[in-house]
Amino acid sequence: EAGVVQSPRYKIIEKKQPVAFWCNPISGHNTLYWYLQNLGQGPELLIRYENEEAVDDSQLPKDRFSAERLKGVDSTLKIQPAELGDSAVYLCASSSRDRAVEQFFGPGTRLTVL
Amino acid sequence: QKEVEQNSGPLSVPEGAIASLNCTYSDRGSQSFFWYRQYSGKSPELIMFIYSNGDKEDGRFTAQLNKASQYVSLLIRDSQPSDSATYLCAVNGAGGGNKLTFGTGTQLKVEL
Repeated sequence: EAGVVQSPRYKIIEKKQPVAFWCNPISGHNTLYWYLQNLGQGPELLIRYENEEAVDDSQLPKDRFSAERLKGVDSTLKIQPAELGDSAVYLCASSSRDRAVEQFFGPGTRLTVL
Repeated sequence: QKEVEQNSGPLSVPEGAIASLNCTYSDRGSQSFFWYRQYSGKSPELIMFIYSNGDKEDGRFTAQLNKASQYVSLLIRDSQPSDSATYLCAVNGAGGGNKLTFGTGTQLKVEL
């Protein structure tokens, strides 16, 4: 079974530029999560999707961050414009309906904003 | 007070010893508790989770939960150098919905 796929793995951009991250969850997993992880910290939830519905986006900075999961499968997280403080690892995770508590993480995208 | 607190370490133990990792949480209504392992530069990997007070064993790993004290721990028996990683404690709060709150992690070093 393939794991959670994320791309790109690394991204370097200048501040004020836009950036997008893509995630494909494990096949059959209906719940998808986007987390942000700063160095030396644990992951922090940005947004959670149940199928195509965003059920928890309370931690998403909506002035510059947006996300979508149009067909309830893969998802895109966008930042526009990026700020220096956005440099972090962006992790995608997924879980299935029958084992909902078990979240499986993708390899992450390491973003550096110069 | 942070919602989930862990000692950042590093915790150093000799190979073959028992490593004890601790975590406290502030939300008394928390329902489930998780331990993730994260190697440097890699993503978190679920080791085990626990719902009920007491112990839960899985191979060399034992999770212990004490809801009255709001305390959860992970014991690693017969520690191996390959166990050297950061261990993240995560809590699913009273609101449920699989919203995990993570601690900052404890770095474990198993020395030869």
